Amino acid sequence: EIVMTQSPATLSVSPGERATLSCRASESISINLGWYQQKPGQAPSLLIYGASTRASGVPVRFSGNGSGTEFALTISSLQSEDFAIYYCHQYNKWPRTFGQGTKVEIK
Amino acid sequence: QVQLQQWGAGLLKPSETLSLTCGVNGGSFSGYYWSWIRQPPGKGLEWIGEINHSGSTNYNPSLKSRVTVSVDTSKNQFSLKVKSVTAADTAVYYCARVTTVTLNYYYFYYMDVWGLGTTVTVSS
Repeated sequence: EIVMTQSPATLSVSPGERATLSCRASESISINLGWYQQKPGQAPSLLIYGASTRASGVPVRFSGNGSGTEFALTISSLQSEDFAIYYCHQYNKWPRTFGQGTKVEIK
Repeated sequence: QVQLQQWGAGLLKPSETLSLTCGVNGGSFSGYYWSWIRQPPGKGLEWIGEINHSGSTNYNPSLKSRVTVSVDTSKNQFSLKVKSVTAADTAVYYCARVTTVTLNYYYFYYMDVWGLGTTVTVSS
């Protein structure tokens, strides 16, 4: 199966600052990658698919890029509601797999 | 707006069968895949499997021997069964709608509607 590795495990950021989260695939997955946000006690919610396409209603401060094996999610100016765990997800092959998550916490 | 309502037993003993159902309210059932994902306490997400309205399935090989995902189109529901559960199956189980789109030679797949989750605990 394709292993997704996210870094860092935890990112401490001040409100208003920029945050960049990384995700690496164990083999090339083209742009078949999504990003999900999960807040405590809630189900994940879709942010990005196709590596860079924002889902409906997702603020423009969220952007994704990358292809092949290296991907990034950038939050341009962190708002209080953005402190959460973020997961990358590959859908290039079955079984679908997720990264282990990056927790974005308040600095 | 589509909502997913999920239900099922939350406390099981080892060797029992986990059984969860997810109902699709307010939207089309056909044209999508319907997925199950789980999250052990304090850990990340694990994809379990999926089914479409005609019963075509895909499973995670790590669970395939114990898992069955089925669909009841007459009720707009899909279900998950995991047999012979152990403590390792303790998790929050989510159902989700999978949207797939093919556009300009690209294939997009994303889980855009999620249930609230059901906590399943396996304990003797």
